[in-house]
Amino acid sequence: AQKVTQAQTEISVVEKEDVTLDCVYETRDTTYYLFWYKQPPSGELVFLIRRNSFDEQNEISGRYSWNFQKSTSSFNFTITASQVVDSAVYFCALESGGSYIPTFGRGTSLIVHP
Amino acid sequence: GAVVSQHPSRVICKSGTSVKIECRSLDFQATTMFWYRQFPKQSLMLMATSNEGSKATYEQGVEKDKFLINHASLTLSTLTVTSAHPEDSSFYICSASASRETQYFGPGTRLLVL
Repeated sequence: AQKVTQAQTEISVVEKEDVTLDCVYETRDTTYYLFWYKQPPSGELVFLIRRNSFDEQNEISGRYSWNFQKSTSSFNFTITASQVVDSAVYFCALESGGSYIPTFGRGTSLIVHP
Repeated sequence: GAVVSQHPSRVICKSGTSVKIECRSLDFQATTMFWYRQFPKQSLMLMATSNEGSKATYEQGVEKDKFLINHASLTLSTLTVTSAHPEDSSFYICSASASRETQYFGPGTRLLVL
């Protein structure tokens, strides 16, 4: 069985603050993929990152960074110097067991105030 | 990059009518398409998986007679909500995959049944 937990339901920050969105996953498989998606108010899912289980290197893309820790089964997402346009719901997802159908977490709503 | 479109983006209908939602892969052939449903402030729930030319596979609890899925070609899948009722109001998202690795999501369709 696979499961994704995003314990933070809603996070509210002021612009320029750094914010970390937590994601904890469960799977018995050694090969799996982890994803982050952004869903702005318009509703469209925006793909942010896909990481396979054999690549534990942290990744940085502009103001976004991801911290993959297999030891704690976590794949956390940090936004540095947040902006109002970052306000959205962010979903963490997991594909494992040879399935290419992701299991989504419940999402974290990020509100960035000006 | 791979683009998936949905039409309509928003639909309002009267209770008892049927609504058809189209999902198209614009620049690739999608051997598999997926239909998700998302209630407000909740995660995406997979409804069904459809492979071109064969019957859709529905997730447990999804009524196949209520949510008719047709995947007639490698670029088009349709979801028909038959005899829609207010509780069917939701955000419906499709995704398409050409390989067993990545799903590309459409922009979603907001359905409101009065």
